[in-house]
Amino acid sequence: AQTVTQSQPEMSVQEAETVTLSCTYDTSESDYYLFWYKQPPSRQMILVIRQEAYKQQNATENRFSVNFQKAAKSFSLKISDSQLGDAAMYFCAYRGSKSQGNLIFGKGTKLSVKP
Amino acid sequence: DTGVSQDPRHKITKRGQNVTFRCDPISEHNRLYWYRQTLGQGPEFLTYFQNEAQLEKSRLLSDRFSAERPKGSFSTLEIQRTEQGDSAMYLCASSQAAGWGAKNIQYFGAGTRLSVL
Repeated sequence: AQTVTQSQPEMSVQEAETVTLSCTYDTSESDYYLFWYKQPPSRQMILVIRQEAYKQQNATENRFSVNFQKAAKSFSLKISDSQLGDAAMYFCAYRGSKSQGNLIFGKGTKLSVKP
Repeated sequence: DTGVSQDPRHKITKRGQNVTFRCDPISEHNRLYWYRQTLGQGPEFLTYFQNEAQLEKSRLLSDRFSAERPKGSFSTLEIQRTEQGDSAMYLCASSQAAGWGAKNIQYFGAGTRLSVL
């Protein structure tokens, strides 16, 4: 069975600085998607960035980028120029090619941004 | 496009009562998913629909839980004889299609927080 592990329950970053959130996963599949979702307090979860496993190039979305290491089964999220609005729970998620679409989530990392 | 909406946002009930939650997906989204999120955990998959057909159920979905999507639009999740262990956030998500690509991105609602006393 696939698993997703986020080893940092909480992280803190100074406004305008850079922070990296870690995620590792375990799978025997060769084709899959990885996602980072952001869940602000009492608000809906939104997709931050996604990566297709067959693509070697790391995905980038504005201030958000990933470091995808397929052999190491690692998928970290880097947030540059952190803003107060980045404060939220961040969840790493996996979707395998053999699944029917359901996502497997890690336990999340709570990110605080200090002004 | 108003996003995925869930109703109610909060529900407090007594143990043994039945509760029903509603999810309205983004229009034209064929797939609808239900997840459960307990405190300190990530969401866990419960079940999903392709149009009106319920295609997969997690083992987390005990026989006290039932989900429907009668016309392939909105969905309801009912919990019968609630237990304190059912206290959680119930999240609904929808996606346009099942395959790879941008159409399989799941968009989430804000959830229904259930508290069983």
